[in-house]
Amino acid sequence: AQSVSQHNHHVILSEAASLELGCNYSYGGTVNLFWYVQYPGQHLQLLLKYFSGDPLVKGIKGFEAEFIKSKFSFNLRKPSVQWSDTAEYFCAVNEIRTGGFKTIFGAGTRLFVKA
Amino acid sequence: NAGVTQTPKFRILKIGQSMTLQCAQDMNHNYMYWYRQDPGMGLKLIYYSVGAGITDKGEVPNGYNVSRSTTEDFPLRLELAAPSQTSVYFCASSPSAGGPHEQYFGPGTRLTVT
Repeated sequence: AQSVSQHNHHVILSEAASLELGCNYSYGGTVNLFWYVQYPGQHLQLLLKYFSGDPLVKGIKGFEAEFIKSKFSFNLRKPSVQWSDTAEYFCAVNEIRTGGFKTIFGAGTRLFVKA
Repeated sequence: NAGVTQTPKFRILKIGQSMTLQCAQDMNHNYMYWYRQDPGMGLKLIYYSVGAGITDKGEVPNGYNVSRSTTEDFPLRLELAAPSQTSVYFCASSPSAGGPHEQYFGPGTRLTVT
């Protein structure tokens, strides 16, 4: 079955530490890739997306992600986290298929940043 | 634009009751979705719609029904509520022209079935 895997379910970091959250998918065709963030008590918001072109994409609040096609990966990074980055992060993949597309979300990674 | 709105924000149901979760968007998006979010499970697609009058099942449709009579509205109906339907429900929408886009989410409805 096609899937999206986020390797870390819970991550705890101190402020100013670097962050990398893993995301791997299994679909072998064309994909669009997304990272969404859900701050405590809020709904999901788009952090960044990759459709085509430069595989290194930059999003809001200093986040970036790199699409490595050969590894089926789209890892999220931030050089220096802040307490306000405490949230749950979801990787999502649009699998582009004939006649449409299918969106699959990963299980999410809860990030807690200690002040 | 209000974006995607959902009502109610919270609801407690007794087993066997029914209810409708409302969702509306004012962005003229063709695609709309209903997800449920359970701890550690991410988002699971319940139903989706690619336009008014067209709906289709997602990954976990059992126990739910939807309708899409207008572009703006996409209500989710729970018949005979069960404890397994305790969850947070998110509605989302996306434009469809030109291919897939990111989804815009509503604030969610927290449902408890006891």
